[in-house]
Amino acid sequence: KNEVEQSPQNLTAQEGEFITINCSYSVGISALHWLQQHPGGGIVSLFMLSSGKKKHGRLIATINIQEKHSSLHITASHPRDSAVYICAVRSRTSGSRLTFGEGTQLTVNP
Amino acid sequence: KAGVTQTPRYLIKTRGQQVTLSCSPISGHRSVSWYQQTPGQGLQFLFEYFSETQRNKGNFPGRFSGRQFSNSRSEMNVSTLELGDSALYLCASSFHREVTEAFFGQGTRLTVV
Repeated sequence: KNEVEQSPQNLTAQEGEFITINCSYSVGISALHWLQQHPGGGIVSLFMLSSGKKKHGRLIATINIQEKHSSLHITASHPRDSAVYICAVRSRTSGSRLTFGEGTQLTVNP
Repeated sequence: KAGVTQTPRYLIKTRGQQVTLSCSPISGHRSVSWYQQTPGQGLQFLFEYFSETQRNKGNFPGRFSGRQFSNSRSEMNVSTLELGDSALYLCASSFHREVTEAFFGQGTRLTVV
């Protein structure tokens, strides 16, 4: 079993829909990161969470440390949100090393 | 503030050759981590460097090595290239090893033929 599990693996939505991507992990963590990767490879860090909830524009990320679960929400989705979204955790003992989920391929159709 | 710079962006090498990839972190960042991304295995950790010392190493063969210089720039080297080494190699920099945000470079796409 992977240390970091994401669901769904693929997600297709219509423009304007509310989107949720889930991430579960099995290790004790110091932080959880949500990342975005567009075709071409570059990765952009969206959020780093240790607890609670963060919001940036139409993106919201939450984490429940007790349940070892995090969600990324996109409100009013837009075709430019189409990308791979990756959950990554930093364990308490691993310094800056990240362990990644398999990613969620999001396609938002106009 | 300049982002994380990886060079070269694209590289084609022949089996058996060796390759060196470079990563310049954001100014002031002292921690650099390297990752390999392939369609089959996803993103996997290679190494972590902080203050010129390797702090952590992933489960890769000894053909994969790296180093960090006093200005925090890092290089990774792969010797005796195999077809399976074809991948996107990403580096990430952060201010410190502890809980700080990671910033990724655009990656180097290595193709081994």
